[in-house]
Amino acid sequence: KAGVTQTPRYLIKTRGQQVTLSCSPISGHRSVSWYQQTPGQGLQFLFEYFSETQRNKGNFPGRFSGRQFSNSRSEMNVSTLELGDSALYLCASSLGSSGGETQYFGPGTRLLVL
Amino acid sequence: TQLLEQSPQFLSIQEGENLTVYCNSSSVFSSLQWYRQEPGEGPVLLVTVVTGGEVKKLKRLTFQFGDARKDSSLHITAAQPGDTGLYLCAGPRREYGNKLVFGAGTILRVKS
Repeated sequence: KAGVTQTPRYLIKTRGQQVTLSCSPISGHRSVSWYQQTPGQGLQFLFEYFSETQRNKGNFPGRFSGRQFSNSRSEMNVSTLELGDSALYLCASSLGSSGGETQYFGPGTRLLVL
Repeated sequence: TQLLEQSPQFLSIQEGENLTVYCNSSSVFSSLQWYRQEPGEGPVLLVTVVTGGEVKKLKRLTFQFGDARKDSSLHITAAQPGDTGLYLCAGPRREYGNKLVFGAGTILRVKS
């Protein structure tokens, strides 16, 4: 079974631009969660989508948004990029959304904001 | 302030040495998970501990969950270069719909 895939793997943007990242979960998984990983803050939960609905949200500004499609693929969008948005963005998929399921992480998208 | 505090932040040891990594919190967790992340990859789940006092072994890795379910430790016996990576502990938080909060991690480097 194929793992979680994320595209693109690397991205360079400038301040003020917007960016869209994509995540394809493991086949059959309906929950996709997004995390931001930085050296200073570590891994922080952004939000979770299940059956095309946002179920949970972390403490990030509204510039961070996402959506999920009927095939469970998910996209994350960051608008008006800031230097501090430079990070590794990870998505993780799981079968359900109760929180007790094992999450499987993708390799991440490394975003550099100049 | 991190909800889960990991120590040490960085560990560099020789092949064959033993080591212990700690994950501490002032809050009770229903379970804790340990992940290893290698450069360029996402975290990979190693183990989930659920019961206070629980000990789980995975080859040379021993995981323990504290009796009060506020802390956990990871002990590696006879470390090998392949153990090199970032070790993360994580636990579900109700305020996030039981999604995971992570510690800052311990970077382990095992030299041959």
